[in-house]
Amino acid sequence: GDSVTQMEGPVTLSEEAFLTINCTYTATGYPSLFWYVQYPGEGLQLLLKATKADDKGSNKGFEATYRKETTSFHLEKGSVQVSDSAVYFCALSDRGTSYDKVIFGPGTSLSVIP
Amino acid sequence: EAQVTQNPRYLITVTGKKLTVTCSQNMNHEYMSWYRQDPGLGLRQIYYSMNVEVTDKGDVPEGYKVSRKEKRNFPLILESPSPNQTSLYFCASSPAYHRGGGYTFGSGTRLTVV
Repeated sequence: GDSVTQMEGPVTLSEEAFLTINCTYTATGYPSLFWYVQYPGEGLQLLLKATKADDKGSNKGFEATYRKETTSFHLEKGSVQVSDSAVYFCALSDRGTSYDKVIFGPGTSLSVIP
Repeated sequence: EAQVTQNPRYLITVTGKKLTVTCSQNMNHEYMSWYRQDPGLGLRQIYYSMNVEVTDKGDVPEGYKVSRKEKRNFPLILESPSPNQTSLYFCASSPAYHRGGGYTFGSGTRLTVV
């Protein structure tokens, strides 16, 4: 079945450091890929998305490129801030028999220290 | 503002006392879903609904009920709560096929069953 694997962390970085959170997936169809972010005490928010191979999703300085050949969707940011401290979830949406089933990865906790 | 509203945000109850967590969305979304989030287990889907009067089990439906009498509302019912249902619960909604759009999540309900 479909699945999402991501580094679980926790990841601790200093402010202005470069961030990479790895995400790989397996899917029977041709999925759409997403990154969600969960700030402390809040629900998940859609951070960025990509719907086809080589698409690059970007938002708030974060980027991720849909790599079909390596089945990956790694999240990157050039310079993290304390306000980026959160849990990041990689997810895919694949067409099932009657709806698009969403599969979430386990989440990666990021702490950014001043 | 487009949003998913859950109530209550926090709830402490006793074993066996029936409770309902409400969820309402104002985006005319067809698809709604309930998840629970537990440390080390990530997000697990409880129930989902494709449209009014259409509901189905997710991965962990035991001990829960749902109903979808109106498009905007999708309440989660615990008929006889037990301590193992202590968790953080999220309601989410999306258009019927959310490959391009992704989910909109509520802010969460933290339930404690003693």
